Amino acid sequence: DVKVTQSSRYLVKRTGEKVFLECVQDMDHENMFWYRQDPGLGLRLIYFSYDVKMKEKGDIPEGYSVSREKKERFSLILESASTNQTSMYLCASSNGLNYGYTFGSGTRLTVV
Amino acid sequence: QKEVEQNSGPLSVPEGAIASLNCTYSDRGSQSFFWYRQYSGKSPELIMSIYSNGDKEDGRFTAQLNKASQYVSLLIRDSQPSDSATYLCAVKGTGGFKTIFGAGTRLFVKA
Repeated sequence: DVKVTQSSRYLVKRTGEKVFLECVQDMDHENMFWYRQDPGLGLRLIYFSYDVKMKEKGDIPEGYSVSREKKERFSLILESASTNQTSMYLCASSNGLNYGYTFGSGTRLTVV
Repeated sequence: QKEVEQNSGPLSVPEGAIASLNCTYSDRGSQSFFWYRQYSGKSPELIMSIYSNGDKEDGRFTAQLNKASQYVSLLIRDSQPSDSATYLCAVKGTGGFKTIFGAGTRLFVKA
């Protein structure tokens, strides 16, 4: 069964901490994405990667960075966590730009 | 105008009925359309993709696309309580890499 695995299901961090969210896919997909999902705001794209070491900003990249050193792994970094980054973070991958996504199980991050 | 619009619901249907979920989009050149199901507290799961006008059937699910009207719908036949979830419409627009998600429609299937 193909999978997108996110390293943590729940995470609590303090304001100002540097936070790493890890995502690994086993489908050899080129494209990987990071979204956050908030009630009333839906899914918002943070960053996207279409190849190793390649990245593109999404709609809300401020306060975030990403790393893709290997094809299967796409990391989201919160440089200095703030309370407004409390959210559900979803990683996804796809086999092409016109294909649907496979999502990971999500990381619910709380910043206190 | 939102790029992908869905009625937020909730849509309530009795068990065994047909549930009809609708979505409109603003980018006339969009080529790829998706429906995702999201159970409460879970991540979205792709259930249907459709790329050309007309109907596409997969088991109890039928996706319908009308590009002239910029309209895509999802029909769920013989609805079951296990179909109760939020259904997200997603549209891949022209150019770039962006897929736009609607806010979702909550569906309740009453036993």
